[in-house]
Parts: sequence; C-alpha cells; structure tokens
Amino acid sequence: SYELTQPPSVSVSPGQTARITCSGDALPKQYAYWYQQKPGQAPVLVIYKDSERPSGIPERFSGSSSGTTVTLTISGVQAEDEADYYCQSADSSGTRVFGGGTKLTVL
Amino acid sequence: EVQLVETGGGLIQPGGSLRLSCAASGFTVSSNYMSWVRQAPGKGLEWVSVIYSGGSTYYADSVKGRFTISRDNSKNTLYLQMNSLRAEDTAVYYCARDWGVGATPWFDPWGQGTLVTVSS
Repeated sequence: SYELTQPPSVSVSPGQTARITCSGDALPKQYAYWYQQKPGQAPVLVIYKDSERPSGIPERFSGSSSGTTVTLTISGVQAEDEADYYCQSADSSGTRVFGGGTKLTVL
Repeated sequence: EVQLVETGGGLIQPGGSLRLSCAASGFTVSSNYMSWVRQAPGKGLEWVSVIYSGGSTYYADSVKGRFTISRDNSKNTLYLQMNSLRAEDTAVYYCARDWGVGATPWFDPWGQGTLVTVSS
C-alpha cells in the first residue's frame, strides 16, 4: 500500500523557521495537503494543493514541492504553532493516505 | 457557517455494532463527497471510507466488509455503520467534507470527532 513518510518530530526555537518534509512516490503526480492538529482538537487544513494557503491561515505557513518530497515551512515560529502536522495525498486509484505525522515542538 | 457534528460513539464490546452519525449544516451532504477518518489513541490519522455524490462508496482495507458508509438526504446526515468491531477499531472518528472531485482529494472542514472504544 502507498505510504507517505514524515519525520516523527521537529524542534525549533521561537522566531526560527520550521521545515517538515513528507515523501511519497506518487507526489510528483498528486497534490499534497497539510493539516495542523492541536491536542484534543480536530485537524485543520493549513496548506492545500502543495502550496496554497486557505483563508484565515497565517502567512507564515507555506508549502512547496520538489519531486517526491513536499515541505511545510513555518516561518517565524510562534508558541501557538506547537502541534502535530500531517501530510495527506492519494495513490493512483484515489485511495486517501496520510503521513504518520510530525510533532512540532517550540523550545 | 459550514459545520459537522458527529454523534454515536461510546463503549462497545468486541464483536458488537455501532452507528455513527454526522449532521451537516451550511452545505448539502448529497451534493458532496464525504469521508470518515479515524485516529487511534496517541496515533496518527487513518482514512476509513468515502461516499461520492453519485453514491459510490469506498473503504480502507482495514474496515472493508465490516463498515458501511451511507447518508440520509432528508436529514443532511452522514452515517458509518460499524459491525464486527475489534479492539483495534478503538479511535476518535471524524467526518469531513471530501474535496475529491477532479483533483487529489482533501478534507475540509472536519467535525469535532466522536470516540469509539471497543473493549470487554
């Protein structure tokens, strides 16, 4: 079955830039999406179609794609950005797939 | 305002059945794709099932043959019928609007989730 691979954890100090990667063989042909999930809350979409930002999401969140890897970048990280982040895409048959998630810690 | 509210979770014994509901407001369930996604305690997100606007349904291998997704157009509500439940089905179950038409699918918004615990 298709898999998306994320690092389990990323740590940054406030004001620094956090980068979370997601790798998958189908990513050159399928868009990737990113969700933020804080403890006890439902996931929230923060990036769609690799690099688009939904309304209401701060400009410090951005996304990029290169080959089989997509990257979520959070510039000027704030304490409130501490959360779990999941990438999501689909395989060639349309089966929805999530990455394993990355815990972002703001030191 | 677009909103999704799940209900129906609870404690159920292994082998039992449970039906989850997801009431939608602000949009029409039958005109959209809708998905269920679950999250086991302390674990990541797992897609479970989708129903297309035309009525076609698809399932993750882990629940195929045991779970059934459906909708009631008159109530603008999505359902997940879960049979032959196992301990590994223990999770928070979220419903989400599925933007899968003509593009790589994604989920937005999500409901607040309902907890299903399978235990004797």
